[in-house]
Amino acid sequence: DAGVTQSPTHLIKTRGQHVTLRCSPISGHKSVSWYQQVLGQGPQFIFQYYEKEERGRGNFPDRFSARQFPNYSSELNVNALLLGDSALYLCASSVDADTQYFGPGTRLTVL
Amino acid sequence: GEDVEQSLFLSVREGDSSVINCTYTDSSSTYLYWYKQEPGAGLQLLTYIFSNMDMKQDQRLTVLLNKKDKHLSLRIADTQTGDSAIYFCAESPFLRGGGADGLTFGKGTHLIIQP
Repeated sequence: DAGVTQSPTHLIKTRGQHVTLRCSPISGHKSVSWYQQVLGQGPQFIFQYYEKEERGRGNFPDRFSARQFPNYSSELNVNALLLGDSALYLCASSVDADTQYFGPGTRLTVL
Repeated sequence: GEDVEQSLFLSVREGDSSVINCTYTDSSSTYLYWYKQEPGAGLQLLTYIFSNMDMKQDQRLTVLLNKKDKHLSLRIADTQTGDSAIYFCAESPFLRGGGADGLTFGKGTHLIIQP
């Protein structure tokens, strides 16, 4: 079975631009969560979606938004990029929002 | 607030056992996890334990939970070079809205294997 997939794998943007990251969960999983992992740190929770509804949000500014589609895939959008947004963005899927399985991540570099 | 603490580095010799420790502060933690991250890769779920358990064993991995002290450990028996990675401890709070708070991670322990 395919695991969690994310696209693109790498991305380079400049300050002020907008970015969209994509995630496809494991088949049968209805929940998707997004995390930001800055170099040298553990992942930080950004959002959780379940059945297309936002169920949780971490301590991130409104420049960060997300949505989940009817097929349970998800997009993370970040507006007005800052240098500090450079990180590995991880998507995790789960059946029941507890045991989460992570994708390989998207490496975002903001110049 | 919730916090998860881990030592940053652990160095062991190949063939020895590795013990990675973690402490957490949220007394309502229901699920505790260990994830492995190899360089340039995402997170691989290794194992997890429910808070009503004291121990869980899965092949070379043994997880011990001391709920009173809020201390979690991961023991890797017969450590191999392929075990070299960063190991993250994570906790999930008691279900509030279906676990909508996400996982809280420590900063990770770099496991270094000496030949």
